[in-house]
Amino acid sequence: QVQLQESGPGLVKPSQTLSLTCTVSGDSMISGGTYWSWVRQHPGKGLEWIGYIYYSGTTYYNPSLKSRTTISVDTSKTQFSLKLSSVTAADTAVYYCARFRDGSSYYQFHDYWGQGTLVTVPS
Amino acid sequence: SYDLTQPPSVSVSPGQTASITCSGDKLGNKYACWYQQKPGQSPVLVIYQDSQRPSGIPERFSGSNSGSTATLTISGTQATDEADYYCQTWDSDTVVFGGGTKLTVL
Repeated sequence: QVQLQESGPGLVKPSQTLSLTCTVSGDSMISGGTYWSWVRQHPGKGLEWIGYIYYSGTTYYNPSLKSRTTISVDTSKTQFSLKLSSVTAADTAVYYCARFRDGSSYYQFHDYWGQGTLVTVPS
Repeated sequence: SYDLTQPPSVSVSPGQTASITCSGDKLGNKYACWYQQKPGQSPVLVIYQDSQRPSGIPERFSGSNSGSTATLTISGTQATDEADYYCQTWDSDTVVFGGGTKLTVL
């Protein structure tokens, strides 16, 4: 059974960098067609995709967050990480890590999710 | 950028059929999936590849996608189905979520 667990500070000061790590168990992270994704959810709002990474290090980002986002992977530790720079109160959200399956033209979905972690940026 | 539009809310009586729509430009030419999210919990995949159910998802959940609209249908809706539902697709190397629909069972 695949499990994901987010970790990192729950409070980040404005203008600083938000850093989170997702630890994966039950998957080697190097399967073809599998990406490792970050999704956030502002309080009481919908889901917003941040970006994902392939085990090779190839990344894809949400254009609206691309300039502030860096996602990296360490397959030896079965972990991947998110860095979001220059945060403001608008970045306060629950951050989820998830496994994303990409079947080329046939399917794309997130099948396993972490429990989520609330990150607060005070105003 | 590509947008997906969902109704903010849908209401259904227990035992009846609930339909939640997701609209996007030529969405039928892409694949859609659906997530269920209950309060305080992580999203759960309920439909992928338009109409496929993951293991463990009840048969009352079904999906379709044609033209510009994908639809999640819940037959014989139960009180436990009350939740937020999100559609998702993929366009130009980006993941796109719909705004979500709150399903109320009353």
